[in-house]
Amino acid sequence: GENVEQHPSTLSVQEGDSAVIKCTYSDSASNYFPWYKQELGKRPQLIIDIRSNVGEKKDQRIAVTLNKTAKHFSLHITETQPEDSAVYFCAASGSYQLTFGKGTKLSVIP
Amino acid sequence: DGGITQSPKYLFRKEGQNVTLSCEQNLNHDAMYWYRQDPGQGLRLIYYSQIVNDFQKGDIAEGYSVSREKKESFPLTVTSAQKNPTAFYLCASKGTATSPLHFGNGTRLTVT
Repeated sequence: GENVEQHPSTLSVQEGDSAVIKCTYSDSASNYFPWYKQELGKRPQLIIDIRSNVGEKKDQRIAVTLNKTAKHFSLHITETQPEDSAVYFCAASGSYQLTFGKGTKLSVIP
Repeated sequence: DGGITQSPKYLFRKEGQNVTLSCEQNLNHDAMYWYRQDPGQGLRLIYYSQIVNDFQKGDIAEGYSVSREKKESFPLTVTSAQKNPTAFYLCASKGTATSPLHFGNGTRLTVT
């Protein structure tokens, strides 16, 4: 089955700096890669996703890049704000089954 | 909001009792999922169902059971065989293989 590795597990940045979270996946058949943000005690919410026919996607301060050859994808958050503090999960899917990374706890220091 | 309702939000049970967690969706999604979340462990798949009357085991199905008698409903039973049932349980659904997963608000189960 699919295996998704996510790094780092924790990340602290100063407000205004950029944050980068990286994920690798094992199944070359995976073609859908979403990123979720989860605040404490709440459900995960989709923040951005990318499909395998696209190498990069951007939405305001958030961008995701995908390298299918290397089987890795990354989340980039620019101009970080305190409200970006949360746990972020990457995931990979080639079918109806979605496999998640273990998460990255991002802390943005004011 | 989001069309997936999980109830109750908090659930307390004594060890040795079976307990059923409810999940209902009105998004007309074919696929539904149950995930378990423990601190530092991410989201682990328990069971999923792509169509009515059919479901597949995920990575940690032991001690759990599900049913999918209706498209809208996918209840999860935590049986007494589940050794560490205390966790946050999330139900989710999606419309197609490459569409986003929509989550419910979760049920926090505590077994003592």
